[in-house]
Amino acid sequence: DGGITQSPKYLFRKEGQNVTLSCEQNLNHDAMYWYRQDPGQGLRLIYYSQIVNDFQKGDIAEGYSVSREKKESFPLTVTSAQKNPTAFYLCASSIGTGGYTEAFFGQGTRLTVV
Amino acid sequence: QQPVQSPQAVILREGEDAVINCSSSKALYSVHWYRQKHGEAPVFLMILLKGGEQKGHEKISASFNEKKQQSSLYLTASQLSYSGTYFCGGFILTGGGNKLTFGTGTQLKVEL
Repeated sequence: DGGITQSPKYLFRKEGQNVTLSCEQNLNHDAMYWYRQDPGQGLRLIYYSQIVNDFQKGDIAEGYSVSREKKESFPLTVTSAQKNPTAFYLCASSIGTGGYTEAFFGQGTRLTVV
Repeated sequence: QQPVQSPQAVILREGEDAVINCSSSKALYSVHWYRQKHGEAPVFLMILLKGGEQKGHEKISASFNEKKQQSSLYLTASQLSYSGTYFCGGFILTGGGNKLTFGTGTQLKVEL
């Protein structure tokens, strides 16, 4: 079945450590996105990529980094520079970025800093 | 920069109607609506394009006022399964390409 897979589902990190969240899709979608979800703040865009080897900062990119070396994969690294990394992270993809283009989401990764 | 939704939360009895509003300060290329159950992935409900075209499903309708950059989602005869958090969003044209941005969310709870 086609879809988006995020792993792991739960992740614990010590302060000062970098951690990478995985996002893989087999939908053959060109565009991929990372969002952070905090209570009462909705979905905030971290990074997005429209094509391989290209990505753009979203609204809250500080303390995060991404890569897009393959069409199917868009990993997110939460660096030690992110001051408040505990959150629910969602990855999404879409076939394009216009018209009747709906986004498909992964099941999310809940990151907790301990 | 996020679209702002109202109300933030609403509680309904089964069978009642509800309206969720979304307002964007930036021009949206199209308006999307999604619903998220607790701890799950958001699920697509509807897309509205400029000019009034809609694509969606379920017993849910929506409107999009392009001039005001406001959209409303109409839930009629609510069912228990309608409970969840609703997000509006859409593509915003930027110099770096179209980014998909989402709103602040509306928590909806339907009770017996």
